[in-house]
Amino acid sequence: DGGITQSPKYLFRKEGQNVTLSCEQNLNHDAMYWYRQDPGQGLRLIYYSQIVNDFQKGDIAEGYSVSREKKESFPLTVTSAQKNPTAFYLCASSVQGGGQPQHFGDGTRLSIL
Amino acid sequence: GNSVTQMEGPVTLSEEAFLTINCTYTATGYPSLFWYVQYPGEGLQLLLKATKADDKGSNKGFEATYRKETTSFHLEKGSVQVSDSAVYFCALISTGGFKTIFGAGTRLFVKA
Repeated sequence: DGGITQSPKYLFRKEGQNVTLSCEQNLNHDAMYWYRQDPGQGLRLIYYSQIVNDFQKGDIAEGYSVSREKKESFPLTVTSAQKNPTAFYLCASSVQGGGQPQHFGDGTRLSIL
Repeated sequence: GNSVTQMEGPVTLSEEAFLTINCTYTATGYPSLFWYVQYPGEGLQLLLKATKADDKGSNKGFEATYRKETTSFHLEKGSVQVSDSAVYFCALISTGGFKTIFGAGTRLFVKA
């Protein structure tokens, strides 16, 4: 079955450490997204990519970085510059073009040691 | 700018009760409207959608009608089950737009 796979499910970061969250999709979608979700909050867009080798900052990009070298993959790095990284991170993808719904992975929960 | 406002939760209902979760939006043109559901520890799943005025989206007993005149897309279900306990997000994509705008989410608890 097609879908989005996020790994790991749980991740712990030490102070000053960069960590990378994996997101892989086999839906053949052009567009991919990263969101952050804090407890009891909605989703905030970190980065998005409409096509391979291209990505744009979302609303809260500071302290994060991404790459899009392959259509299937859109990893997110949480850098040491992100001072409050504890959150639930969701990756999504969609068909290119207006008005298309997004398909989500099951998320990665990041905590600080 | 574009925005989505949905009723604050939590909403607590008994099994078989009627559910309404209100959602209103601000957007130019004719956005596409969505309801997503998030079960504990999981990502969001598309529940239903509507792409033009007066369209009714429906799935798993849930319904929502795209009301252009009131800029609303309220979610309804006639008889909720314990398994419907989740967080529900209303969302839109503006005409010609690319990014999805999400509401803050409404948590639903259904008691047996």
